[in-house]
Amino acid sequence: SQQGEEDPQALSIQEGENATMNCSYKTSINNLQWYRQNSGRGLVHLILIRSNEREKHSGRLRVTLDTSKKSSSLLITASRAADTASYFCATWAYSGGGADGLTFGKGTHLIIQP
Amino acid sequence: KAGVTQTPRYLIKTRGQQVTLSCSPISGHRSVSWYQQTPGQGLQFLFEYFSETQRNKGNFPGRFSGRQFSNSRSEMNVSTLELGDSALYLCASRPFTSGGSSSYNEQFFGPGTRLTVL
Repeated sequence: SQQGEEDPQALSIQEGENATMNCSYKTSINNLQWYRQNSGRGLVHLILIRSNEREKHSGRLRVTLDTSKKSSSLLITASRAADTASYFCATWAYSGGGADGLTFGKGTHLIIQP
Repeated sequence: KAGVTQTPRYLIKTRGQQVTLSCSPISGHRSVSWYQQTPGQGLQFLFEYFSETQRNKGNFPGRFSGRQFSNSRSEMNVSTLELGDSALYLCASRPFTSGGSSSYNEQFFGPGTRLTVL
């Protein structure tokens, strides 16, 4: 089952603009991660934010986390054509035997128009 | 370090056949996980191997199986293929340490194997 749900499902903006995508999750977490996927290829880890953090920056990326609302947002500033990709949030799903792998949302497909 | 590698990159099979996919993790990474990605169901966890033992398994039928070798390389096998098994299969590794707080950080993904079942 999907833990996270990204919003919007698709986003098209002009190069240079900022892109914001949101993610909601259902259970308590240790951390939340964002990954990028280019055109049906492998996933690339972008950034990880821990449950005791509210905001984190990495280059042009800014991630926020609101554990009370079980939501996170990813902001990409000054977008570039190369940012065109699908973006997924992911959390670890836990059971009695430990983590059952990462649980991903359905992703936001971002298109940067030149 | 070299990244996660997967072979083959593309595969076409027919219904009823079986298939084996291979994954070589990043050197030093002892945990290997497999995921299935389809347009309808998205990314779903298949199973994870650590020290040649399956640690966890997702909600998939027994036709999906895997194994891990002493060098941490992993294979997954799908028997009696169905049309719905067409998907991108992703392998991911991480430097898992049992009980370690850093164990549940990022995973490093390979480029995937695109399986088409006809």
